[in-house]
Amino acid sequence: DAEITQSPRHKITETGRQVTLACHQTWNHNNMFWYRQDLGHGLRLIHYSYGVQDTNKGEVSDGYSVSRSNTEDLPLTLESAASSQTSVYFCASSESRFHTDTQYFGPGTRLTVL
Amino acid sequence: GQNIDQPTEMTATEGAIVQINCTYQTSGFNGLFWYQQHAGEAPTFLSYNVLDGLEEKGRFSSFLSRSKGYSYLLLKELQMKDSASYLCAVLDSNYQLIWGAGTKLIIKP
Repeated sequence: DAEITQSPRHKITETGRQVTLACHQTWNHNNMFWYRQDLGHGLRLIHYSYGVQDTNKGEVSDGYSVSRSNTEDLPLTLESAASSQTSVYFCASSESRFHTDTQYFGPGTRLTVL
Repeated sequence: GQNIDQPTEMTATEGAIVQINCTYQTSGFNGLFWYQQHAGEAPTFLSYNVLDGLEEKGRFSSFLSRSKGYSYLLLKELQMKDSASYLCAVLDSNYQLIWGAGTKLIIKP
């Protein structure tokens, strides 16, 4: 069965360190997304990609970067981790570029920045 | 600005019916989604409405009124496993998804 996975599931790091969160999907979807989820807020879009070599900034992209070298993977990098980036991070993928179909979410990565 | 409002928390009894409301103000509209999210898990798709009216899918139904900027999710014959957060999300004119903060539904026996 097709799936979307994230690693690690839990990560504790220190302020100033670079951190990379992995996302891998076997749906063969062109469209992939990174969100963060914090209490009291809806899911907020960080970055998204509509295909290989395509990346776009979302609502809360400052301090984050992504790269898309193949269809399956969209790693999210925190260049210099800050305490404000403590959150749960979800990766998602979809078949339709226009979101008019369901998004499939990974299980999430809980990141703590001390 | 763009805004989606949902109640923060609701409580209902097992076997009963509950309605979770969502109101939105967005720049354009290309559809509204409902997702279910159990604690510590990923959101999963429940429904997508783009036309006015009620769509029924088993115990769950979703209603949309575009003129009122309003939707609701109706859950019937509540079960303990329905305890979860329910997320409303609107697709705006740029086909960007705007998410509400979610409604935490607590089911009591």
